[in-house]
Amino acid sequence: DIQMTQSPSTLSASVGDRVTITCRASQSLSSWLAWFQQKPGKAPKLLIYKASSLEGGVPSRFSGSESGTEFTLTISSLQPDDFATYYCQQYNTYPWTFGQGTKVEI
Amino acid sequence: QLQLQESGPGLVKPSETLSLTCTVSGGPISSSTYHWDWIRQPPGKGLEWIGTIYHSGSTYQNPSLQSRVTISADTSKNQLSLKLNSVTAADTAVYYCARVRREVDGWIPSDYWGQGSLVTVSS
Repeated sequence: DIQMTQSPSTLSASVGDRVTITCRASQSLSSWLAWFQQKPGKAPKLLIYKASSLEGGVPSRFSGSESGTEFTLTISSLQPDDFATYYCQQYNTYPWTFGQGTKVEI
Repeated sequence: QLQLQESGPGLVKPSETLSLTCTVSGGPISSSTYHWDWIRQPPGKGLEWIGTIYHSGSTYQNPSLQSRVTISADTSKNQLSLKLNSVTAADTAVYYCARVRREVDGWIPSDYWGQGSLVTVSS
């Protein structure tokens, strides 16, 4: 299985901050990586696919990038609605696997 | 607007079989443009991909669960089914169904999700 190592596990930030979350894959993903946002009691929401493509309806303050097997989710200016848990997921090889999650809190 | 709705017993006894249905409305599950995932999340923990079913009926399961999991589809009812046998307390989780859509150069995972169904394994 491809291992996804996500960091940090918790991130304390303030409204307006630039936030960066990292996911490292144990092997090449050929850009097949997605980012999800999950709020308590809700299903995850797709933000980014293919490492850097923004899903329709997602604010442009969210962006994704990749460098080799390291992937980054950036929130350019954190908004109150962005406090949530974020997961990366590789979909290059079955079984698809998720990172452990990053909780963004105040 | 596409909607996915999981349903099934909220309580299952250890060693028995967990059975869930995902009813899809707003589009046919038989379209080759999509395939359908099952994902679970134990309380307070992260996400685990369980498996998927394609329009052809082909399935892939997580090897960690493979011998216990059956994923199927009933196109006449536009429903997906998940069965997990020989359950233990470790299978207690919120179970989600989700859609994967095809784009020009590949798939896009989980763009639509159900609201999730909590299944507790306990005697």
